[in-house]
Amino acid sequence: EPEVTQTPSHQVTQMGQEVILRCVPISNHLYFYWYRQILGQKVEFLVSFYNNEISEKSEIFDDQFSVERPDGSNFTLKIRSTKLEDSAMYFCASKGFGELFFGEGSRLTVL
Amino acid sequence: TQLLEQSPQFLSIQEGENLTVYCNSSSVFSSLQWYRQEPGEGPVLLVTVVTGGEVKKLKRLTFQFGDARKDSSLHITAAQPGDTGLYLCAGVRMNRDDKIIFGKGTRLHILP
Repeated sequence: EPEVTQTPSHQVTQMGQEVILRCVPISNHLYFYWYRQILGQKVEFLVSFYNNEISEKSEIFDDQFSVERPDGSNFTLKIRSTKLEDSAMYFCASKGFGELFFGEGSRLTVL
Repeated sequence: TQLLEQSPQFLSIQEGENLTVYCNSSSVFSSLQWYRQEPGEGPVLLVTVVTGGEVKKLKRLTFQFGDARKDSSLHITAAQPGDTGLYLCAGVRMNRDDKIIFGKGTRLHILP
């Protein structure tokens, strides 16, 4: 069964460091998303990506965040200079014809 | 402001009992999805409802989409300890295909 895969599963970083989280969406899907979930809180929308550009982003997705689809298969989320409050589970998701499929998540811990 | 309100937030009941979880909004959705999330894992899709008034069954789980497509419910019959988990509703708003928003979730605990 096709699935969304994410790497790394867990990353620990120092505050101020750059982090790149990687995702391989389901191959025939057209919409790609990043969500985050701070421990114990709701799943929050960060950004959606369609046709090689950002289609929508939330207020959380500030200038420190960027997304890229560098090679037609990977979909990456970059946090330029991490803050303590960026510690969360980051979920990648892809959508074909309406149903959203999530990866297992990347846990980011910022020290 | 929560676009999708889920209730209750927490529910702890005995095995064998029935329960209903609600997902409400003032917005109209083109589709609504229910997910289940285990600790430390990503949400797993249970069902998508698209048509107003639609009812879908998944074994002991019954999902309903409101006629006006603003709300949904999840009913579990004869709950089992294996039903324990976080249940999330998520919706795609009309004419906003790119963004799927989530409710806060209902944490369900079934006591054996």
